[in-house]
Amino acid sequence: KAGVTQTPRYLIKTRGQQVTLSCSPISGHRSVSWYQQTPGQGLQFLFEYFSETQRNKGNFPGRFSGRQFSNSRSEMNVSTLELGDSALYLCASSGGRREPTEAFFGQGTRLTVV
Amino acid sequence: GENVEQHPSTLSVQEGDSAVIKCTYSDSASNYFPWYKQELGKRPQLIIDIRSNVGEKKDQRIAVTLNKTAKHFSLHITETQPEDSAVYFCAASETGGFKTIFGAGTRLFVKA
Repeated sequence: KAGVTQTPRYLIKTRGQQVTLSCSPISGHRSVSWYQQTPGQGLQFLFEYFSETQRNKGNFPGRFSGRQFSNSRSEMNVSTLELGDSALYLCASSGGRREPTEAFFGQGTRLTVV
Repeated sequence: GENVEQHPSTLSVQEGDSAVIKCTYSDSASNYFPWYKQELGKRPQLIIDIRSNVGEKKDQRIAVTLNKTAKHFSLHITETQPEDSAVYFCAASETGGFKTIFGAGTRLFVKA
């Protein structure tokens, strides 16, 4: 069974630009969560999607948005990039519908904003 | 809002010694507590988890304990080995919230 796949692996963007990251979950998993990982802040929860619906979101500004498609693939978009958005963005998929279960992480997309 | 505090941030032990990492959570509705290990340059991977109806769980050299009253849970690694060196994250999530909150991580060094 293929794991969680994130594309691209690396991105360099300029301040003010926007970026879209992609996540393909494990086949059969309908829950996809996104996290921002920085050295000092650990893993910060961005949002979680299930069956194309955002079920919860973290404390990030509206510049961070996401969506999920009918095949459970998810995208995350960051508009008007700031230097502080430089981080590793991880997505995780899980098979749980009502009960939380193990999250399987992708390799991440490393975003650098210059 | 929900919060998970994790201590210590760095832990250095001699090979063969035990390591203990402690976490405290704030959301009393949390009922699932996973622990993830992240090796350098790799993705986090689940090493053990515990649900709120269980007080302790063991898997070989790894054990997790949960005290729901105090909102504390801990990871215990016995007979540490150099390959245990990594960053460990605790997390808490709850049914219905669909949100997993992670601790800030503990960097464990096991010296040979």
